[in-house]
Amino acid sequence: QVQLQQWGAGLLKPSETLSLTCALYGGSFGDYYWSWIRQSPGMGLEWIGEIDHSGTTNYNPSLRSRVTISVDRSKNQFSLKVNSVTAADTAVYFCASSPNFAVDSWGQGTLVTVSS
Amino acid sequence: DFLMSQSPLSLPVTLGQPASISCKSGQSLVYSDGHTYLHWLQQRPGQSPRRLIYRVSKRESGVPDRFSGSGSGTNFTLKISRVEAEDVGVYYCMQGTRLYTFGQGTKLEIK
Repeated sequence: QVQLQQWGAGLLKPSETLSLTCALYGGSFGDYYWSWIRQSPGMGLEWIGEIDHSGTTNYNPSLRSRVTISVDRSKNQFSLKVNSVTAADTAVYFCASSPNFAVDSWGQGTLVTVSS
Repeated sequence: DFLMSQSPLSLPVTLGQPASISCKSGQSLVYSDGHTYLHWLQQRPGQSPRRLIYRVSKRESGVPDRFSGSGSGTNFTLKISRVEAEDVGVYYCMQGTRLYTFGQGTKLEIK
């Protein structure tokens, strides 16, 4: 199984941009789609979107207008940006592999808190 | 609608006893290729979720055979034949037939 390691800023102010990156170890970037998922007490687990090695993306319609997922194949990394964050975006964010219409390996999670 | 609904949301179980979790989808989860993309995850306290079961009934490598999945269409079940202490955590169903959505989670605890 692949290993995923993620990082990014954990404390944001309202209206700022959330930015997280996930690196893949021990696997091929071209094999799968790669997802971002978040978990909050109020919303439970929520899939944000995914990207494949060519940059093809799929997004959750409820978040599409504020989310961008990108890929850097040279570094085996993919990234998440969420614009104009509010307190409702406070959550633990996970990166994950998503092969064959499933979510497989998960990163360690990053707590992102939005507070003024 | 691919809303996923689990029951019960809380599941106290005596060690060694069986447990069962139900998951219902608002629409059939059969994809155009004939497969059903319904999966089960386990999240132990303080850990990331991990996949236990994929495509209804296929156990992930390393998952004990006391875990089993069944169901079809819109109704699915995860069963644990004999609960052990390491099974404490939250169990989620999720569908991958149309993007991804998750159930609310079922918290399993030891009585």
